[in-house]
Amino acid sequence: DAKTTQPTSMDCAEGRAANLPCNHSTISGNEYVYWYRQIHSQGPQYIIHGLKNNETNEMASLIITEDRKSSTLILPHATLRDTAVYYCIVRVTEYGVTGGGNKLTFGTGTQLKVEL
Amino acid sequence: NAGVTQTPKFRVLKTGQSMTLLCAQDMNHEYMYWYRQDPGMGLRLIHYSVGEGTTAKGEVPDGYNVSRLKKQNFLLGLESAAPSQTSVYFCASAMGLAPDTQYFGPGTRLTVL
Repeated sequence: DAKTTQPTSMDCAEGRAANLPCNHSTISGNEYVYWYRQIHSQGPQYIIHGLKNNETNEMASLIITEDRKSSTLILPHATLRDTAVYYCIVRVTEYGVTGGGNKLTFGTGTQLKVEL
Repeated sequence: NAGVTQTPKFRVLKTGQSMTLLCAQDMNHEYMYWYRQDPGMGLRLIHYSVGEGTTAKGEVPDGYNVSRLKKQNFLLGLESAAPSQTSVYFCASAMGLAPDTQYFGPGTRLTVL
């Protein structure tokens, strides 16, 4: 799986958009970009994923550059409840035991703090 | 629909004691995982299962054993606990089909003295 680089921490004002960057310069053509977040002491929560195209769901938007070497997670109107560690994970979808069970490899992520 | 549940939520062990952590999911998922998270670090995969009766080693399997006798349950065992196994343990499950989102439990905080 490709290695990712994320800033250690970021701050955002409540109600403003939070833009979390992720570099994955060694990404290969069949690797997806996934975003999860972990609110303090809780289990990680899936946010969004994409391959090439930009994606949007009820939680966030994912912008992937044309060369796919970086991406940005956008929380359009951040609230205090969005304060969490955000993980950018790049991986191939590999099923079965021989494929590694489609496991996730977590780095240290970005600590996002949303303030009043 | 409870999702993924973990038992117990907290536990304190003495070195050398054994225990079993239980993970249960009610989403009929094929894949289940056990991760550990140490302070200030990301999650690391201990063991995983791609179906009932099958298990495989992850990144940090030493000192742990697992069993998946029923599809909905995934057990993590510590035969002889060591202080290095003090951590927060998370269980997750997934369908095993694209897009294969993993759903995580609330965690078990284990302290080994």
